Amino acid sequence: GAGVSQSPRYKVAKRGQDVALRCDPISGHVSLFWYQQALGQGPEFLTYFQNEAQLDKSGLPSDRFFAERPEGSVSTLKIQRTQQEDSAVYLCASSSLRGGRRSYEQYFGPGTRLTVT
Amino acid sequence: AQSVTQLGSHVSVSEGALVLLRCNYSSSVPPYLFWYVQYPNQGLQLLLKYTSAATLVKGINGFEAEFKKSETSFHLTKPSAHMSDAAEYFCAVRATNFGNEKLTFGTGTRLTIIP
Repeated sequence: GAGVSQSPRYKVAKRGQDVALRCDPISGHVSLFWYQQALGQGPEFLTYFQNEAQLDKSGLPSDRFFAERPEGSVSTLKIQRTQQEDSAVYLCASSSLRGGRRSYEQYFGPGTRLTVT
Repeated sequence: AQSVTQLGSHVSVSEGALVLLRCNYSSSVPPYLFWYVQYPNQGLQLLLKYTSAATLVKGINGFEAEFKKSETSFHLTKPSAHMSDAAEYFCAVRATNFGNEKLTFGTGTRLTIIP
C-alpha cells in the first residue's frame, strides 16, 4: 500500500502560534514514531505510540509539545506557542507487528518542515 | 543509553571508487543497528539492518555493512560508487528489547560523488 504520509509538507508559523502536524502511517502499522531533525543534524526521537497508547514521550523537549493517536491510526503532533528553536523537520515513522512477529524496520514519511519566524 | 558516532561529516569519493562510511556504536549489550539514506527534501530510506543474525549484512543499491562486536563498529561499504549514491547517510541504533524501539541516530555523513 501507500507509504507514510505527512501534512503539511511545509509550515511557516509566527512565533507564538500553535501548529498541528499530521501523520498517516502505513495501513495496519501499530507502532508510530515522531522524530525532530534540525538542520544539518540527525533525527532525534520525540515520542512513540503502540496503537493508541503513548509508550514513550521522553524526547518531547517541553510541555509545549503534545502528540496523540486517539484511534491507533492517524497521529497529530501539536506544538503550542511556537518558538524559533522549534524550526526543524518533523519526521513520522511507522512500524508493524504482525501476529507476534516483529518488524524491525521503521518506514519514514517525507517530513514536515516547520519554520518559525 | 545507546549512541552512535559517525566519523566524517563529509566524504567525497570518485565515481567507481570504494565507498566507506564509518559508524561506531556504544551500548552495554549488542544492539540492533541500521543504516538509512536521505535524499534532499525526502524522508529516510532503510539501506540495511543488523538484528543479531549474520554479521555481514547486504542491503539495497549494492551496499553492505559488517557488524564487528570487538570494534563496536558497523561501517557501510559499497565497492563502486555511482553518481546516484550522493546523499546523506545516517547510522542508527536501537535496543533489542520489546517496547524500547526508538532509534538513536548519528549526526550523518554527506556523501559526494566526484565524476
